[in-house]
Amino acid sequence: EVQLVESGGGLVKPGGSLRLSCVASGFRVNDAWMNWVRQAPGKGLEWVARIKSKTDGGTTDYAAPVKGRFTISRDDSKNTVYLQMNSLRTEDTAVYYCQLRTPDFWGQGNLVTVSS
Amino acid sequence: EIVLTQSPATLSVSPGERATLSCRASQSVSSNLAWYQQKPGQPPSLLIYDISTRASGIPARFSGSGSGTEFTLTISSLQSEDFAVYYCHQYHNWRTFGQGTKVEIK
Repeated sequence: EVQLVESGGGLVKPGGSLRLSCVASGFRVNDAWMNWVRQAPGKGLEWVARIKSKTDGGTTDYAAPVKGRFTISRDDSKNTVYLQMNSLRTEDTAVYYCQLRTPDFWGQGNLVTVSS
Repeated sequence: EIVLTQSPATLSVSPGERATLSCRASQSVSSNLAWYQQKPGQPPSLLIYDISTRASGIPARFSGSGSGTEFTLTISSLQSEDFAVYYCHQYHNWRTFGQGTKVEIK
């Protein structure tokens, strides 16, 4: 059974950093395309970042608002995907979801609040 | 970036009635269009992908259609569990989502 469990969210000041973790079970993150998608309070969905499977090159892509500030990575030994978020802004406040592309599966989400 | 515009923003429907949701893309997305349902406090759940293919376990009352830049999600007879927010999503060029249509009880 596929499971995705996110952690690492919380309250951080503007300019600060956080690292989100997404622990996977039921499949190997090494073999999967994984995404991070966020949702600001009361707003719609916004794709943030993607990492391809190892066999597809393991390359990463980012949405324009986070490029240069966020980094997606994975640790195959821990079967975990990460989102390192630096230089956080108030507009980064959102619930962050970890998503497995195929089959489509989402974690329950983790709230990140950027506020002074 | 491909912009997806959904209409209407809110749709008021009585149980048992038909609901038709629209999604327009700023440029062609080929067949790379999906629909998600989201209920309060839950992550999105995939309904339809590749314009018209129902995801596993999705009832037949949900159907998708369209091509190019114009797409439709139809719920043939609304059940109580269908009242939610629906998002269209393109994966043709990077990934973007529409702003959502809330289907509420009339």
